[in-house]
Amino acid sequence: NAGVTQTPKFQVLKTGQSMTLQCAQDMNHEYMSWYRQDPGMGLRLIHYSVGAGITDQGEVPNGYNVSRSTTEDFPLRLLSAAPSQTSVYFCASSSGSQPQHFGDGTRLSIL
Amino acid sequence: DAKTTQPNSMESNEEEPVHLPCNHSTISGTDYIHWYRQLPSQGPEYVIHGLTSNVNNRMASLAIAEDRKSSTLILHRATLRDAAVYYCGHNNNDMRFGAGTRLTVKP
Repeated sequence: NAGVTQTPKFQVLKTGQSMTLQCAQDMNHEYMSWYRQDPGMGLRLIHYSVGAGITDQGEVPNGYNVSRSTTEDFPLRLLSAAPSQTSVYFCASSSGSQPQHFGDGTRLSIL
Repeated sequence: DAKTTQPNSMESNEEEPVHLPCNHSTISGTDYIHWYRQLPSQGPEYVIHGLTSNVNNRMASLAIAEDRKSSTLILHRATLRDAAVYYCGHNNNDMRFGAGTRLTVKP
């Protein structure tokens, strides 16, 4: 099992550009989530999904879109990148009450 | 929304026990309490979780208050490798974490 795979690992964008952060899991987990972690700060929930076709907003959803067309994939889209979105983004998946499995993160810088 | 609070930082001496507290003011009856830790430049790593009863595993123990409004992560003998930021949270499918406690372990 690869677990939770995030791509890319690093990305630099210009203000106003759009991009999609990819997240895939091979554990057949129904729950998937996206978090952002600003330098020196904690984890904040952006969006989450409880199954294919179902998504919901977390604590900081503005400026991001998600979709969940399959159980395995949960991409995060930045619509128009802003410097305030410079952060490390973590994807996580879980099943039932079991612990979350986190990816290695995507380090995103927006100039 | 889940409201979880933790102290910003704590210190411990090596080989001594550490008790890391967390308050879960909005926890509901079916929410599990989870603890993770994060080393520099790494993703969060699972430590322990539980519902009502105290829990033990090879890494730590979790003590859960009777009303479940608070929990305590217990590291029985802190080592230098335990220095990390520790996060608590609850809910299952939309886990929201506290701001984290930075644990410093002194040799």
